[in-house]
Order: sequence, then structure tokens, then C-alpha cells
Amino acid sequence: AQSVAQPEDQVNVAEGNPLTVKCTYSVSGNPYLFWYVQYPNRGLQFLLKYITGDNLVKGSYGFEAEFNKSQTSFHLKKPSALVSDSALYFCAVRDPNAGNNRKLIWGLGTSLAVNP
Amino acid sequence: DTGVSQDPRHKITKRGQNVTFRCDPISEHNRLYWYRQTLGQGPEFLTYFQNEAQLEKSRLLSDRFSAERPKGSFSTLEIQRTEQGDSAMYLCASSLGTPTPGGYTFGSGTRLTVV
Repeated sequence: AQSVAQPEDQVNVAEGNPLTVKCTYSVSGNPYLFWYVQYPNRGLQFLLKYITGDNLVKGSYGFEAEFNKSQTSFHLKKPSALVSDSALYFCAVRDPNAGNNRKLIWGLGTSLAVNP
Repeated sequence: DTGVSQDPRHKITKRGQNVTFRCDPISEHNRLYWYRQTLGQGPEFLTYFQNEAQLEKSRLLSDRFSAERPKGSFSTLEIQRTEQGDSAMYLCASSLGTPTPGGYTFGSGTRLTVV
């Protein structure tokens, strides 16, 4: 079955330190992978995606993610965290063999808290 | 504002009442999705339209839920005889064909509280 796992409910990091939010997936074939961020009382906002090509993907707000096929992971990273990065982060995957549906399969989310 | 719009932002209703939400996608997007999100959970897929055709409906969606997209533009999601378990954030998203470089564009959601 297709699934996405975000093993950490919460990540705490000090401002200025690097951050990592983990995501692993289980999808047959070559998946399309996405990261979204949700600020309080706001809708989901797209951060970045991996479809094909370079395994290191750069996205909005200084975030990047590395696709690792052997580890079936797509961890989100930022070299230097800001307090304003504090939010909920969701990893999602789409099975490109799922026909015309194009629906995303979502992780449960990771709450990132960046402390001043 | 050329993003995805959802109306209302918040809805409080009594159990047993019917509610209807509206989603206006980005105008050139032909695909429209409804998701439901409860506290501490990721979005759950509810249903999906390509133009005016409803192509998939999740088993999560009971017979009390219905969605329409009559002209292939805006969509409505109706919940009949609401129950307390329906309390959640209802998210709408749209996309153009295969996902654009920006992926799916989400609206800000409608937060439903059933009392």
C-alpha cells in the first residue's frame, strides 16, 4: 500500500541552527514527492517538489530536500532556521502510476518549533 | 487575488443542520480536489473533479456528503444532517492537468464546527 511517514511529531531547533524534517515513503515505481507548510490558521503552501532529475531540490524560503531512492526518503532541510519557520510541515507523495486521479497521499505532519 | 478561494472561512452549525461550502479554483485549473483535515492529521482525500466530472469519491465520504462542479469552474461541498464528527477543516485545491511546478494550490480552508 502507498504510504508516507513522518516519524517525528515535533522538531525543536534553535534559531540559526540547521533543521531537518524527516519523510519516508512507500510507493511502487518512481514517486512524485512534495513538501507543504501550514502556518496557523492558513492554508497549505507549496514548498518544493521532486519529479525527476537532481536529487537535491531547492524550494521556497530557503528550504531544500534530498530525494534518496535507496532509503525511500525525502527529508526537508534548511541550513539556518528562523523563528518564522515555526509551522506544520507535511510531506506528500503521488503515485505517477495511479491513473488520472493525481491525488496526493499525505503524511501526518511534523510541528517545527524554532526557538529564539 | 488569483489564488484558490474558499467561502466561508468559518462555519458553526448545530448538529443535524445542512451546510454548504464553496470553492473557487484558479480560473485556468481544470482539476479540483476536496480534502478534510482534522487536528493533528494530514489532509484526507474526499473527492476529485476534472472539469465538471467527479472522477473519484473517497470511501470516507458518506452519503451525507455531496460535491458538485456544475460548470467546471467553482465547486460546492454539501454536508447534510451534520454530526459532531464532521467538525474539521475542509480544504480545496486545484491544479492544471499534471501538476504545475508549484504543485497543487490550496485554499485557506473552511473550518466547520458542529455543536
